[in-house]
Amino acid sequence: GAGVSQTPSNKVTEKGKYVELRCDPISGHTALYWYRQSLGQGPEFLIYFQGTGAADDSGLPNDRFFAVRPEGSVSTLKIQRTERGDSAMYLCASSLSPGNSPLHFGNGTRLTVT
Amino acid sequence: AQSVTQPDIHITVSEGASLELRCNYSYGATPYLFWYVQSPGQGLQLLLKYFSGDTLVQGIKGFEAEFKRSQSSFNLRKPSVHWSDAAEYFCAVGGPYTGTASKLTFGTGTRLQVTL
Repeated sequence: GAGVSQTPSNKVTEKGKYVELRCDPISGHTALYWYRQSLGQGPEFLIYFQGTGAADDSGLPNDRFFAVRPEGSVSTLKIQRTERGDSAMYLCASSLSPGNSPLHFGNGTRLTVT
Repeated sequence: AQSVTQPDIHITVSEGASLELRCNYSYGATPYLFWYVQSPGQGLQLLLKYFSGDTLVQGIKGFEAEFKRSQSSFNLRKPSVHWSDAAEYFCAVGGPYTGTASKLTFGTGTRLQVTL
């Protein structure tokens, strides 16, 4: 079956611009997670959704970052006024439930802010 | 706060040799532990997980890991490495105190190089 799909795979933007990153989870997975991975580091938690609501957004670095999941499936991570420090791989994952179900990761979106 | 330490940034082994990747964690209760593998430019693939029960866990691709509570460790092992195992390996911890086992804290990774 289809895995987690993230688009675009690569995004280059100029400092100060707005970007949207899309995640399409595995069908039937109710929990969706966003992680950010900087070069040479492990992924860092940003936010997770249970259904349509953000159950935990404690990892979002500041108010320039926002994520939505309006119909409980596809999610969009939105970054306003991008900064060079936002350059990273943004990973999306989904799981059957937020309990002890393992995460299934997408291939990520590599964001480069010039 | 929970944390994960992977002391080895880079390891090189010969094909056919055994492998052990180290992972130490800090967590206030019995943790959920995971090993993930990441090939260049790719997402993460789950190798194995420990939630409870038998402390020796078998995973995919011939990997296993052993949970040692007394040492706060969850080392990954493979008896005979194949060239296709070259990748980045991440240990991660989660658990009930984080609100969900899937809100994970990752280590910084160990890059495995395999020589022929």
